[in-house]
Amino acid sequence: EAGVVQSPRYKIIEKKQPVAFWCNPISGHNTLYWYLQNLGQGPELLIRYENEEAVDDSQLPKDRFSAERLKGVDSTLKIQPAELGDSAVYLCASSLGASSYNEQFFGPGTRLTVL
Amino acid sequence: GNSVTQMEGPVTLSEEAFLTINCTYTATGYPSLFWYVQYPGEGLQLLLKATKADDKGSNKGFEATYRKETTSFHLEKGSVQVSDSAVYFCALRENTGTASKLTFGTGTRLQVTL
Repeated sequence: EAGVVQSPRYKIIEKKQPVAFWCNPISGHNTLYWYLQNLGQGPELLIRYENEEAVDDSQLPKDRFSAERLKGVDSTLKIQPAELGDSAVYLCASSLGASSYNEQFFGPGTRLTVL
Repeated sequence: GNSVTQMEGPVTLSEEAFLTINCTYTATGYPSLFWYVQYPGEGLQLLLKATKADDKGSNKGFEATYRKETTSFHLEKGSVQVSDSAVYFCALRENTGTASKLTFGTGTRLQVTL
């Protein structure tokens, strides 16, 4: 069974440019998460989707970050415009449901470098 | 709010040495506790978990016991291997039944040498 797929794996952009990350969750997983992992830190939740609905986006910086999951499967996280401080690893995870008893499975992440 | 504190790394050990990575937590309720492992170039993988006090999680020779009285979940392994070199994250999740937010520690890098 395929795991969570993310692309690209690495992205280097100049500040003020837009960037987008793509995530394909495990088949059948209704819940999808985007996490931000700064260097030397643990992941922090940015947004959680139940199917196509964003049910927890309290930590998403909405002035420059946006996300969508139009058909309740794949998801895209966008930053526009990117800033130097956005350099980090962006992780996607999925689970069968939102229940605290469902394990979250993580993708390999996209490492963003903003110059 | 919830928080997780784990010992800073890197931890460098010789193969077959005993490993302990300390983890303590602060939570308002009765969380589930987890250890995740991140190998180079890969995503986080669940290593083990415990859902209530005095539970012991174990996997691949690693163990951790949920200690409510000391709010701790220390990771141990009796004999580490070079292949155990990775970053280890302690995490908690509130058992609210609906919310599934994980709170992670900062991670501890383990380097095992021959």
